[in-house]
Amino acid sequence: QKEVEQNSGPLSVPEGAIASLNCTYSDRVSQSFFWYRQYSGKSPELIMSIYSNGDKEDGRFTAQLNKASQYVSLLIRDSQPSDSATYLCAVSFIEYGNKLVFGAGTILRVKS
Amino acid sequence: GAVVSQHPSWVICKSGTSVKIECRSLDFQATTMFWYRQFPKQSLMLMATSNEGSKATYEQGVEKDKFLINHASLTLSTLTVTSAHPEDSSFYICSAIVAGGWYEQFFGPGTRLTVL
Repeated sequence: QKEVEQNSGPLSVPEGAIASLNCTYSDRVSQSFFWYRQYSGKSPELIMSIYSNGDKEDGRFTAQLNKASQYVSLLIRDSQPSDSATYLCAVSFIEYGNKLVFGAGTILRVKS
Repeated sequence: GAVVSQHPSWVICKSGTSVKIECRSLDFQATTMFWYRQFPKQSLMLMATSNEGSKATYEQGVEKDKFLINHASLTLSTLTVTSAHPEDSSFYICSAIVAGGWYEQFFGPGTRLTVL
């Protein structure tokens, strides 16, 4: 089992819809969770961080964390074609110190 | 805030030459920086962790003599690809974490290396 798993997609949603991206992680002590967006040919960009159970909202983005289920998700409301990218989930596990473990990423396509 | 720069953004070199890539944190001090490599349509692969004033820690399978890392100051880390070969052609990305933060990594724009 991979330590951080994401569905590779592509996930296709129509413009204006809600895109739901999911990530599960292994049963290790974890402390921080991040979502990055990576456009083709570009480097990753941090869009959300979450540290405790529950929801965290920032503009059109909402991150949800459920540590009991080892699950973190990212909701993108009012999806725009410019949101089309690969979304990377990253987890900080205590035993790895300050390194992040990245999932392979989910490709999101927003169709106008 | 938390801006990371990389130089050069792209480089083309001949096989057998060495290439140096710089990674700078512009508005914060970074005691730790990371170097990644990414091949087309593949995931990020962590190469090494660079700590200011100490030797870098390399991931398993990464040749430390081929990929030389120096973290001479709190704002600068360099990666030197020695005796580059075509198979080293890739997208090299650095990242940095803010001292005392929650381990969120801020990425530089990346350097595209092509070895002829």
